[in-house]
Amino acid sequence: EVQLVESGGGLVKPGGSLRLSCAASGFTFSSYSMNWVRQAPGKGLEWVSSISTSSSYIYYADSVKGRFTISRDNAKNSLYLQMNSLRVEDTAVYYCARELGTASDYWGQGTLVTVSS
Amino acid sequence: SYELTQPPSLSVSPGQTASITCSGDKLGDNYACWYQQKPGQSPVLVIYHDNKRPSGIPERFSGSNSGNTATLTISGTQAMDEGDYYCQAWDSSTVVFGGGTKLTVL
Repeated sequence: EVQLVESGGGLVKPGGSLRLSCAASGFTFSSYSMNWVRQAPGKGLEWVSSISTSSSYIYYADSVKGRFTISRDNAKNSLYLQMNSLRVEDTAVYYCARELGTASDYWGQGTLVTVSS
Repeated sequence: SYELTQPPSLSVSPGQTASITCSGDKLGDNYACWYQQKPGQSPVLVIYHDNKRPSGIPERFSGSNSGNTATLTISGTQAMDEGDYYCQAWDSSTVVFGGGTKLTVL
């Protein structure tokens, strides 16, 4: 059974940093590109970042470019999102998702990041 | 930047057909997919590559994509189909989501 479990969310002050993790199981993690997608309270889905199987291709939304860094460790079946210079508008539930072609076929349960003073 | 536009809401009666549209410039040149999200839950993929259903998704869900519009069709809509639906496509190495459509079955 495919499982994606996010962790690392919490309350952080504006300008602070946080590192999210996503533990994958039930599939060959190294064979799939992965995505981070977020959802602000009461709002729609917003793509954050994507990483290819060997980390050769990495893409970011303009809203996080230069502040967030996506990475993966295929030996540990894990995906990461390093978030720096956090802003109030980064407050959201962050989901990791497995990429199937041009879609995301499995999603984690999400981890809440709250940026507030 | 590329945008995908969805109607904010749609209401249908049980048993009727629900059609949710997603509009974007030359959207038909890219693959579109659709997600269903119920309150408090993670999104679920219901259609990918324009018209393919993942395993476990009922046959009443179908999709099409041509020109500037992708459409998610739910035939014989059931109460359990209530929720938010999002279209998504790739454009120039970025993933774009539509704003979402709240489907009400009443």
